[in-house]
Amino acid sequence: GENVEQHPSTLSVQEGDSAVIKCTYSDSASNYFPWYKQELGKGPQLIIDIRSNVGEKKDQRIAVTLNKTAKHFSLHITETQPEDSAVYFCAALDNTNAGKSTFGDGTTLTVKP
Amino acid sequence: SAVISQKPSRDICQRGTSLTIQCQVDSQVTMMFWYRQQPGQSLTLIATANQGSEATYESGFVIDKFPISRPNLTFSTLTVSNLSPEDSSIYLCSVGDTSSTEAFFGQGTRLTVV
Repeated sequence: GENVEQHPSTLSVQEGDSAVIKCTYSDSASNYFPWYKQELGKGPQLIIDIRSNVGEKKDQRIAVTLNKTAKHFSLHITETQPEDSAVYFCAALDNTNAGKSTFGDGTTLTVKP
Repeated sequence: SAVISQKPSRDICQRGTSLTIQCQVDSQVTMMFWYRQQPGQSLTLIATANQGSEATYESGFVIDKFPISRPNLTFSTLTVSNLSPEDSSIYLCSVGDTSSTEAFFGQGTRLTVV
């Protein structure tokens, strides 16, 4: 089955700096890669995703890159703000198992004012 | 996107009892899943809730401990049976659609077993 590794487990940045979280996956059949943000006491919220036919996707301060050859993808947050502080999870799935995701272990991001 | 209502949001239960968690979606969805998130950990898939048939369980999870119902395309329940302190976790309902592959999550149920 799929195995997703996520790094780093914790990340602390100064407000305004950039944050990068990286994930690798093992199953070459995976073709959809979402990122979730989980705030304390809440369920994971989808913040951005990328499909295997695209190398990069951007949404305001958030971007995701995908390298299918190397089987890794990354989340980039620019101009970080204190409200970006949360746990971020990457996931991988293939569309024969829509919604059945394999998650990374999560990254706790702290943005210091 | 789908709007998911999960109940209860939290509960404290005695050892040996059971807790049933409900997941209601505002639209018909093909796929419904139940995940467990132990304290400080990532999400682990318990099972896929299949409409009108028995759920499909992942390795390490069994029907006797985690019975699941899915009577229609908008509703599912997960029961955590014979509770022990090790069952203290957040339980999450997730839905997906084969046409989009996107997955959405409920707010979760925080279970504490005492």
